[in-house]
Amino acid sequence: AVQLVESGGGLVQPKESLKISCAASGFTFSNAAMYWVRQAPGKGLEWVARIRTKPNNYATYYADSVKGRFTISRDDSKSMVYLQMDNLKTEDTAMYYCTAASTTVATPFAYWGQGTLVTVSS
Amino acid sequence: DVVMTQTPVSMSVSLGGQVSISCRSSQSLVHNNGNTYLSWYIQKPSQSPQLLIYKVSNRFSGISDRFSGSGSGTDFTLKISRVEPDDLGVYYCGQGTQYPYTFGAGTKLELK
Repeated sequence: AVQLVESGGGLVQPKESLKISCAASGFTFSNAAMYWVRQAPGKGLEWVARIRTKPNNYATYYADSVKGRFTISRDDSKSMVYLQMDNLKTEDTAMYYCTAASTTVATPFAYWGQGTLVTVSS
Repeated sequence: DVVMTQTPVSMSVSLGGQVSISCRSSQSLVHNNGNTYLSWYIQKPSQSPQLLIYKVSNRFSGISDRFSGSGSGTDFTLKISRVEPDDLGVYYCGQGTQYPYTFGAGTKLELK
């Protein structure tokens, strides 16, 4: 079965940095685009970032709200995806979900992890 | 950005009943490759979202045939028949056609 397990969340102060991770298993990780989606407390879903596969040059895409501050990366040898978050703001406080595309039906956000909570507060 | 508008915001249903949720996009969701990347998700209380329907009308693996999706262009509908207790939660539509990917604000399904 597909599993996505996020880790690394916590409490940080504004302007600080944090790197969260996602360990994937149960599918051919190197073939799947990976995403981060966040959900502020009591709010809806917001797409954050996407990273494509090696044949697509690991191209990355970001929401305007995080562009220039967040960096998504992946390590296919470890089936891991990361989100480096710099210059954090209080409005970045959210549950961060790692999600994977389905390669069989070619659709994004097919599989979701349980999330890791990032709290930005002084 | 593509704005996804879901209606209603919340709705009450009796067990065994049927509901419809509407999702409208501010722009066509037809991709250059001909696919329409409109999906539906459910987020049950204290859980992460899970994919129900992809590309407008296709049920994801393991999803009951009580869930059906329809629509085209900018106007989409999710129907749930014979509602069961496990169907309760917040339903989101989302588009993966244009960057930035966007989601509707959600429709909360509660028991009457």
